[in-house]
Amino acid sequence: DGGITQSPKYLFRKEGQNVTLSCEQNLNHDAMYWYRQDPGQGLRLIYYSQIVNDFQKGDIAEGYSVSREKKESFPLTVTSAQKNPTAFYLCASSSRGHSSGANVLTFGAGSRLTVL
Amino acid sequence: AQTVTQSQPEMSVQEAETVTLSCTYDTSESDYYLFWYKQPPSRQMILVIRQEAYKQQNATENRFSVNFQKAAKSFSLKISDSQLGDAAMYFCAYPPHGSSNTGKLIFGQGTTLQVKP
Repeated sequence: DGGITQSPKYLFRKEGQNVTLSCEQNLNHDAMYWYRQDPGQGLRLIYYSQIVNDFQKGDIAEGYSVSREKKESFPLTVTSAQKNPTAFYLCASSSRGHSSGANVLTFGAGSRLTVL
Repeated sequence: AQTVTQSQPEMSVQEAETVTLSCTYDTSESDYYLFWYKQPPSRQMILVIRQEAYKQQNATENRFSVNFQKAAKSFSLKISDSQLGDAAMYFCAYPPHGSSNTGKLIFGQGTTLQVKP
């Protein structure tokens, strides 16, 4: 079945460490996204990529980095510069273009990051 | 700043009854999409329904329907014949200005729906 796989599901980090969250999709979607969710809040966009080897900052990109070397993969690195990284991270993908399907996001199951 | 407002942090409904979740938004676009996503306890977001702004007819997906008031910038979700499996957090979302053909979305704060047996 097609879908998005995020790993790990749970991750613990010591202060000062970088960690990388994995996101892989087999939906043949061009665009991929990383959202952050804090308790009682909606999702906020961290980074997004509409094509391979290209990505743009979202609303809260500081302290995060991404790469898009393959269409299927969009890993997110939470760096030590991110002062409050404890959150739930959701990866999503969508088709690209001017069709009505361009806006529909398919989400992964998420990764919970906790800073110790 | 563009915003999406869900004024009901929590709602509850009796099983088999109907409930309406409210959402207002702010955009200067004339053609855009609006979405309702559901986040069950598993935390995986699932698309519930979407509405194309240029269509006057309200979207319907089985027990889920919307009341779209474009002039008022209101986009409420009605759940009929509520089931226990409808218990979840519901998010309203729409694309920010200039992003109507991408997957970028602005999300509301969410409404937690409790379904009572």
